[in-house]
Amino acid sequence: DIQMAQSPSSLSAAVGDRISITCRPSQDIFGTLAWYRQAPGKAPELLLYAASTLHIGVPSRFSGSGSGTDFTLTISSLQPEDFATYYCQQYHSGVTFGPGTRVDLK
Amino acid sequence: NLVQSGPEVKNLGDSVRVSCMTSGYTFQRYGVAWVRQAPGQGLEWVGWINPYNENTEYGWKFRGRVSLTTDVSTTSVHMEMRRLTSDDTAVYYCARLVRGDLHDGFDIWGQGTLITVS
Repeated sequence: DIQMAQSPSSLSAAVGDRISITCRPSQDIFGTLAWYRQAPGKAPELLLYAASTLHIGVPSRFSGSGSGTDFTLTISSLQPEDFATYYCQQYHSGVTFGPGTRVDLK
Repeated sequence: NLVQSGPEVKNLGDSVRVSCMTSGYTFQRYGVAWVRQAPGQGLEWVGWINPYNENTEYGWKFRGRVSLTTDVSTTSVHMEMRRLTSDDTAVYYCARLVRGDLHDGFDIWGQGTLITVS
């Protein structure tokens, strides 16, 4: 199984801040990575897939980069709805999710 | 749109069947995955199915205990889980594969179905 390390596990930020979350799979997954945002009590929402492809309707403040074993999600200017938990997901071999990064209000 | 069947309460050792009714797209063009989330925990992949050829793939801990099936006449996908334990208490989501084929991200999610095992 491919293991996913995600960091940080949590962070505190303010509206308008720029933040980055890192995801490191245990082996090369090429570009087969997606990012999700999950608000409490809600289903996850797809933000990006294929590491850097922005899903339809997702604001441009979200961006993704990386390949192989090192990936980053960046939010350029946090909005109130972005205080949530973020998960990375590899789909190169089966599916594994990262443990999540909780983003809360500073 | 993906709409799931309602919550269930089950006993240890029981089986459960959760349904995912799809609409608004060509059913056989998009794979469907199942993901669960235990209370306060992260996301865990259960498996996925290609409705076109009924190919399936399961997470290793679910092999032999979970079956995914499709019904083209009702454009539904079903998940059956057997030999339930308390560790199976979770919200179960169905989700559509974003570009259709398996091995991809999930763009449309059902509302989730709470399965409680006690």
